[in-house]
Amino acid sequence: DGGITQSPKYLFRKEGQNVTLSCEQNLNHDAMYWYRQDPGQGLRLIYYSQIVNDFQKGDIAEGYSVSREKKESFPLTVTSAQKNPTAFYLCASSGTQPNQPQHFGDGTRLSIL
Amino acid sequence: AQSVTQPDIHITVSEGASLELRCNYSYGATPYLFWYVQSPGQGLQLLLKYFSGDTLVQGIKGFEAEFKRSQSSFNLRKPSVHWSDAAEYFCAVGATGGSYIPTFGRGTSLIVHP
Repeated sequence: DGGITQSPKYLFRKEGQNVTLSCEQNLNHDAMYWYRQDPGQGLRLIYYSQIVNDFQKGDIAEGYSVSREKKESFPLTVTSAQKNPTAFYLCASSGTQPNQPQHFGDGTRLSIL
Repeated sequence: AQSVTQPDIHITVSEGASLELRCNYSYGATPYLFWYVQSPGQGLQLLLKYFSGDTLVQGIKGFEAEFKRSQSSFNLRKPSVHWSDAAEYFCAVGATGGSYIPTFGRGTSLIVHP
């Protein structure tokens, strides 16, 4: 079945460490997204990409970086510059028409050690 | 700019009771509207969507939603709630005008009492 796979499910970061969250999709979607979710704050867009080798900052991109070297993959790196990284991170993909819904992975929960 | 408001942060219902979750949007033209559900520790799953035509839309898991242009609303309903419906529900508006990025409401948490 087609879908989005996020890994790992749980991740722990030490002070000063960069960590990378994986997101892979086999839906042949052009667009991919990263969201951060904190209790009571809904979904906040970190980065999104419409095409390979191109991506755009969302509302809260500071302290994060992404790459889009393959259509299927959109990894997110949480850098040491992100001072409050503890959150639930969701990856999504979709077509590039506004009437096309997003498909979500099951998320990665990142915590600080 | 478009926006989505879910006025209720939490809703508590008894199992078997009916449910209505509110969603109001701000957008100039006819929007593309979605409802998603998120179970604890999981991603979002699409419940239903509205693009045009019949204003009453049927979705999965026995949910339906009604688009009311005059009220700028797209409320989600279910006639009889099951304990497994306890989750977070998000309303979203599909973007237009060159952007494909949807706008999400902040979500409504549904609590189901036995």
